[in-house]
Amino acid sequence: RKEVEQDPGPFNVPEGATVAFNCTYSNSASQSFFWYRQDCRKEPKLLMSVYSSGNEDGRFTAQLNRASQYISLLIRDSKLSDSATYLCVVILTGRRALTFGSGTRLQVQP
Amino acid sequence: DAGITQSPRHKVTETGTPVTLRCHQTENHRYMYWYRQDPGHGLRLIHYSYGVKDTDKGEVSDGYSVSRSKTEDFLLTLESATSSQTSVYFCAISESAGQNYGYTFGSGTRLTVV
Repeated sequence: RKEVEQDPGPFNVPEGATVAFNCTYSNSASQSFFWYRQDCRKEPKLLMSVYSSGNEDGRFTAQLNRASQYISLLIRDSKLSDSATYLCVVILTGRRALTFGSGTRLQVQP
Repeated sequence: DAGITQSPRHKVTETGTPVTLRCHQTENHRYMYWYRQDPGHGLRLIHYSYGVKDTDKGEVSDGYSVSRSKTEDFLLTLESATSSQTSVYFCAISESAGQNYGYTFGSGTRLTVV
């Protein structure tokens, strides 16, 4: 079983739609959580960290549910420029590196 | 943007030949990482370094070795390249391995082993 699992998609949504991605992690000792964004043939870039209390950055809202071991990302009012792959990332306690999910592809259509 | 560069950006090599990829940073960050990315697998950790001459294995380290003789350079070597090592390789740097520190990635090296 993969340590971090995501629905690969693709999610095809119209501009202006709200879309949500979920991610589950298998190790309850995971200590830090992030969403990264990766454009086609580019490097991953940090979108936002995820905190237990939930956090928001403009149109993006991230939630963490430690009891159920899942992380979510909500994108409101989708833009064409949001089209990318969204990577769920965790840091396991005692590890010194990021562990990635395989990513969820989003395609926002005009 | 953080100063991190990878070289070469693209490489085609033959099976059985040695290959070295270079990651160079100007941020003086302690941690450096090598990941590979393949369809359906996301990014997987190959090796990482937590200081000069201090390295450790990741989840897919077989067939790879690394060296870090200077803070700014982290080299990844494929001693004898195989077709299964065809991939996109990303280097990353981080000031700390702890939570809430940003990891910055290089632009990647696209390696094809024929």
